[in-house]
Amino acid sequence: DIQMTQSPSSLSASVGDRVTITCRASQSIGNNLNWYQHKPGTAPVLLIYTASTLESGVPSRFSGGGSGTDFSLTISSLQPADFATYSCQQSYSTPRTFGQGTKVEI
Amino acid sequence: QVQLQESGPGLVKPSQTLSLSCTVTGGSISSGSYFWTWIRQPAGKGLEWIGRIYTSGSTNYNPSLKSRLTISLDTSNNHFSLKLSSVTAADTAVYYCAREHGSASYYKVDSWGRGTLVTVS
Repeated sequence: DIQMTQSPSSLSASVGDRVTITCRASQSIGNNLNWYQHKPGTAPVLLIYTASTLESGVPSRFSGGGSGTDFSLTISSLQPADFATYSCQQSYSTPRTFGQGTKVEI
Repeated sequence: QVQLQESGPGLVKPSQTLSLSCTVTGGSISSGSYFWTWIRQPAGKGLEWIGRIYTSGSTNYNPSLKSRLTISLDTSNNHFSLKLSSVTAADTAVYYCAREHGSASYYKVDSWGRGTLVTVS
């Protein structure tokens, strides 16, 4: 299985801050990397697919980058609705695997 | 817009079989390039991919669960199901059903249910 490692596991930030989360794969996965946002009691939301493509309807303050083994998710100006947990997922092979999640707190 | 909703018992006894269903509305589970997927999240841990079933009925399972797992489609009622046998406390988690959309250039889980907590005790 491909192991996905996110950092940090949690971070504290303020509204308006620029936030970057990183994700590393245990082997090269090309650009087969997706990012999700999830909050307790609600359906997770796809933010970014193929490492850098913004899913329809997702605000442009979210962006993704990277390829191979190293990837990042950036929120350019943190908004109150963005306080949540973010997870990366590789879609290169099965079983699909996720990072452990990064909790973004106020 | 497709919507997914999990249903099933919230409490299962150890050694018994966990059974969940996912009702899909707003789209047919028997058409399109979609993999109908189960994912879970134990408390305090990351998301774990359980397995998926294609619209044709072919399946992919997580090897760590494969010996206990069955995922099936019910096209007449537009839902798909999960059965996990011989459960233990380690199977306690929030279980999500989801849709993975596949194409020549991407695979992405673009629709999720809200999740249902299953406790093994």
